[in-house]
Amino acid sequence: SQTIHQWPATLVQPVGSPLSLECTVEGTSNPNLYWYRQAAGRGLQLLFYSVGIGQISSEVPQNLSASRPQDRQFILSSKKLLLSDSGFYLCAWSRSYPDTQYFGPGTRLTVL
Amino acid sequence: GIQVEQSPPDLILQEGANSTLRCNFSDSVNNLQWFHQNPWGQLINLFYIPSGTKQNGRLSATTVATERYSLLYISSSQTTDSGVYFCAVGGWNQGGKLIFGQGTELSVKP
Repeated sequence: SQTIHQWPATLVQPVGSPLSLECTVEGTSNPNLYWYRQAAGRGLQLLFYSVGIGQISSEVPQNLSASRPQDRQFILSSKKLLLSDSGFYLCAWSRSYPDTQYFGPGTRLTVL
Repeated sequence: GIQVEQSPPDLILQEGANSTLRCNFSDSVNNLQWFHQNPWGQLINLFYIPSGTKQNGRLSATTVATERYSLLYISSSQTTDSGVYFCAVGGWNQGGKLIFGQGTELSVKP
């Protein structure tokens, strides 16, 4: 069966520090991968998605970036965090599109 | 882009009651999912239902794509059903993007 992992689970970072969040998927190959952010107040927003290694599409201009160095690894990064980057970051995968998207446990980021 | 509206925004039920959650969307879609977010933040996939009707235990869902809405039914609610329910849709030529509604926060009282 397929599983999706995210780490760290929680993170507290000062403004201006770098960020690296990791997502890995097990039990499948060549998945579509997604990064979402959930700010306080419920709504989820798609940040990036990838259909293959090195292929990244950005949905929202911001100071975040994403990379896919391996087939089942998706990384969210920032060089300098802003207060507004605080939130709950969720990684998801699907076999294709359209298809069911499955979400990881998330990383709760607080920028102080 | 596609707009997604969920209603009601909040719902309080007594254990054992039934409820219906609604999701309206503004354009044709080829992907629609219902999720339950538990108190720890985990998004649990309930249904993948771009059209038709599905049932899973006490939960069922119906999507009428031509009329651009979906309904999630919860019967005989339990306290463990509490949390936020999200509807998310994806449109044609959207490249995998799911657009989420603002959710319905359900609280089931014992």
